[in-house]
Amino acid sequence: DQQVKQNSPSLSVQEGRISILNCDYTNSMFDYFLWYKKYPAEGPTFLISISSIKDKNEDGRFTVFLNKSAKHLSLHIVPSQPGDSAVYFCAQRAGNTPLVFGKGTRLSVIA
Amino acid sequence: NAGVTQTPKFRVLKTGQSMTLLCAQDMNHEYMYWYRQDPGMGLRLIHYSVGEGTTAKGEVPDGYNVSRLKKQNFLLGLESAAPSQTSVYFCASSYNERADFNEQFFGPGTRLTVL
Repeated sequence: DQQVKQNSPSLSVQEGRISILNCDYTNSMFDYFLWYKKYPAEGPTFLISISSIKDKNEDGRFTVFLNKSAKHLSLHIVPSQPGDSAVYFCAQRAGNTPLVFGKGTRLSVIA
Repeated sequence: NAGVTQTPKFRVLKTGQSMTLLCAQDMNHEYMYWYRQDPGMGLRLIHYSVGEGTTAKGEVPDGYNVSRLKKQNFLLGLESAAPSQTSVYFCASSYNERADFNEQFFGPGTRLTVL
């Protein structure tokens, strides 16, 4: 059973508009959620995180929202740029165990 | 700093052949990981290590072995390659899972094809 779910395999957004990537989880005992971004032929790179004690974290154009009652988090990118086109993974950290990753969402930002 | 490096970048094997993938990190990280990425499957943990001389199984360990003889290196071995092991393999490292916040740093990946 998947602990971390990204139910949208792909998303297309117009340049300048908002991109919203979603992630659902089942394990409520976690410390952080992390978002990673991956370009083709490269390794994933860390983008932004959110602590379990917060409901929002913002870094420039990127904002992550955490809704613990719904076991849901989302990554907002505003405004979206063509360089944001990549695969985005959410990952959950719970205690001393390795990160658990979702399957990823491929974002395409159309100019 | 080079960060996390992986050798080789590409490899083609025949079924039954063996090979070793090398991961090296120069950040003095305690924890190291091997993942595989397949279309529609995300990143799946194969094995990981919490320090020199230690290894542990991840989600998909079958068909793979690992060794961490030196802190900076983590080796992934395939003793008898199968077509199902065709994938992109990523190595990652992190400082310490017990830290308040722990980011994993990834290597560029090794694309392996087993014919």
